Amino acid sequence: GIQVEQSPPDLILQEGANSTLRCNFSDSVNNLQWFHQNPWGQLINLFYIPSGTKQNGRLSATTVATERYSLLYISSSQTTDSGVYFCAARGGSNYKLTFGKGTLLTVNP
Amino acid sequence: KAGVTQTPRYLIKTRGQQVTLSCSPISGHRSVSWYQQTPGQGLQFLFEYFSETQRNKGNFPGRFSGRQFSNSRSEMNVSTLELGDSALYLCASSLQTSGSTDTQYFGPGTRLTVL
Repeated sequence: GIQVEQSPPDLILQEGANSTLRCNFSDSVNNLQWFHQNPWGQLINLFYIPSGTKQNGRLSATTVATERYSLLYISSSQTTDSGVYFCAARGGSNYKLTFGKGTLLTVNP
Repeated sequence: KAGVTQTPRYLIKTRGQQVTLSCSPISGHRSVSWYQQTPGQGLQFLFEYFSETQRNKGNFPGRFSGRQFSNSRSEMNVSTLELGDSALYLCASSLQTSGSTDTQYFGPGTRLTVL
């Protein structure tokens, strides 16, 4: 099945800094999503982005499907951005999302 | 529109017992998937249902089972609980109709503790 790798595993920032999270996947995808897991465990949808670029406020994402990677950009980070960010991908004809191990982001005031 | 709901939110069981978790998808969504999240293994796919049929199953023992009802609500059952089944169980739903994206929306999860 598809393999998903995220980097870096941990990231510590000062409030106001920008960051880039990376997701590499091993095969062509028909679904790629970015999530933020809140402290209570819920996965919050950030982007559905199997290809192309999207922006939502301070967050944006780009997926280059031909090169099998996706990037999540966080600009002007805030303490509330802290948490774990997951990339998940689906490829082929199966119906499961394969998750990366996540990036733990800590934004200090 | 209400999001994905899961009940109960927290559950404590002892080894050997069985447990049933429930998931109500977003109204109109026909696909329901279940995932297990543990610190050691991360997020792992359990199974996916569409129109009451299991379309995909992950690499979990037969003690893990599920079903979907005609209203798209889903339940998963774990029998003969083991300590290692302690985890956050997440349910996701998606529309899965022609022309729609395959965006998965997750519920708040059920945190199961096995003592």
